[in-house]
Amino acid sequence: QKEVEQNSGPLSVPEGAIASLNCTYSDRGSQSFFWYRQYSGKSPELIMSIYSNGDKEDGRFTAQLNKASQYVSLLIRDSQPSDSATYLCAAYDRGSTLGRLYFGRGTQLTVWP
Amino acid sequence: DGGITQSPKYLFRKEGQNVTLSCEQNLNHDAMYWYRQDPGQGLRLIYYSQIVNDFQKGDIAEGYSVSREKKESFPLTVTSAQKNPTAFYLCASSTPGGRAGELFFGEGSRLTVL
Repeated sequence: QKEVEQNSGPLSVPEGAIASLNCTYSDRGSQSFFWYRQYSGKSPELIMSIYSNGDKEDGRFTAQLNKASQYVSLLIRDSQPSDSATYLCAAYDRGSTLGRLYFGRGTQLTVWP
Repeated sequence: DGGITQSPKYLFRKEGQNVTLSCEQNLNHDAMYWYRQDPGQGLRLIYYSQIVNDFQKGDIAEGYSVSREKKESFPLTVTSAQKNPTAFYLCASSTPGGRAGELFFGEGSRLTVL
């Protein structure tokens, strides 16, 4: 069974701090990785995708991928209370016939003023 | 506006009843997915489809059925064989190829068994 593991939460940081969310995956065949944000009672929305080793920055968000270590992270700089949500890490596997995502259980982040 | 529409948003079911959750998209996406989410849990894949008239079981397909007769539509039936159907159900779609992991989600359907 292919697994995606996320660091256990909940994670609580003060406003303005850096929030660091981590994720590991079991399948070396996974090609691409994603971070989804899910507010309480709402559906997930894609916030970052990363396809190659290294860093990818988008505004206050930075995704980092290390395929050798099978590790993905998301850094949120200058955290805001509006960032309070559950963050889901996902790995995409192309599969033999049909591709699909494998999701972690999520890390709940609270940013306090 | 393009998007995914799920209905109903809330549904109550008596034990032993089948219910069907609707999912319609106008994004012209080929791939569609059904996920289940329980409190404090991640997303578990029920069924997925990459093309009309074809679909695959996900990790927790038992007690569920789907059809894909049109590209735009991917309804999910929760049958009486599903022992614990109370959950939040999410439908999603994506384009094939390099961006296949970039899912667009509907607003979800919350099913409660009475």
